Amino acid sequence: KAGVTQTPRYLIKTRGQQVTLSCSPISGHRSVSWYQQTPGQGLQFLFEYFSETQRNKGNFPGRFSGRQFSNSRSEMNVSTLELGDSALYLCASSPDSSGNTIYFGEGSWLTVV
Amino acid sequence: TQLLEQSPQFLSIQEGENLTVYCNSSSVFSSLQWYRQEPGEGPVLLVTVVTGGEVKKLKRLTFQFGDARKDSSLHITAAQTGDTGLYLCAGDNGAGSYQLTFGKGTKLSVIP
Repeated sequence: KAGVTQTPRYLIKTRGQQVTLSCSPISGHRSVSWYQQTPGQGLQFLFEYFSETQRNKGNFPGRFSGRQFSNSRSEMNVSTLELGDSALYLCASSPDSSGNTIYFGEGSWLTVV
Repeated sequence: TQLLEQSPQFLSIQEGENLTVYCNSSSVFSSLQWYRQEPGEGPVLLVTVVTGGEVKKLKRLTFQFGDARKDSSLHITAAQTGDTGLYLCAGDNGAGSYQLTFGKGTKLSVIP
C-alpha cells in the first residue's frame, strides 16, 4: 500500500511569490490534514479536510489556504510568501475523522529567500 | 489554547542507558499519541493511549497516560543507536477532526 505522497519535496521561493503543495493520501483515506513544522514552533496544525470539506482550521493567516478534491487528493497554497514561511509542510491522511491513527508523508521543504 | 510541554528538549545518552521523556499539559485530551521522526522524514506513529492510567509496551518502549489524561511519559529501556530521533507527543481533543496539538519534541541522541 503506497504511503502519503507529497510533492514537491524541496522548493525555494522568493518573498512575495506564492506556492502550491500537493498531497496524495493513502488509497481509501478521506481525511487529509496539513501541518507546518519549524524548529522554533514545532508542528502546528494548519487545516483538515474530510470529503472535500474543511473541517477545521488552525491559527494561521488567510494567506494559507487549502482544498481537497473528489479523489481525496489535497493541495495547500501560501500566497505572498514571507521569510517566516520557511518550514517543512507535512500532510497526513486517515481513513476517517475519528482522530485516532493518521499517517504522515515525508513533507515538502519550503525555503523562502 | 491547548499546549503540550515536552521535556527534556534534548537528550544525549550512551547506548544501554535508560531514559524517560515527559509530556505535560494543563488540558485534558481524549487520547495522546507518540511519534518518532527521523531527519528528512515525516513523523511515524508509535502508539496511541486513550484511557487514563493506561500503560502500553512496544518492545523496549513503555508509554503511560496519566490518570487525569493530561500528561504522558515515554520510557526507553536499554537504548540503542537506532532509537535516535525526534520524539513527539500529540494530543487529540476529541472534537472529531485531526486537529492534533503537538509538543515541540525531544531530540534523542544515543551514542554508541
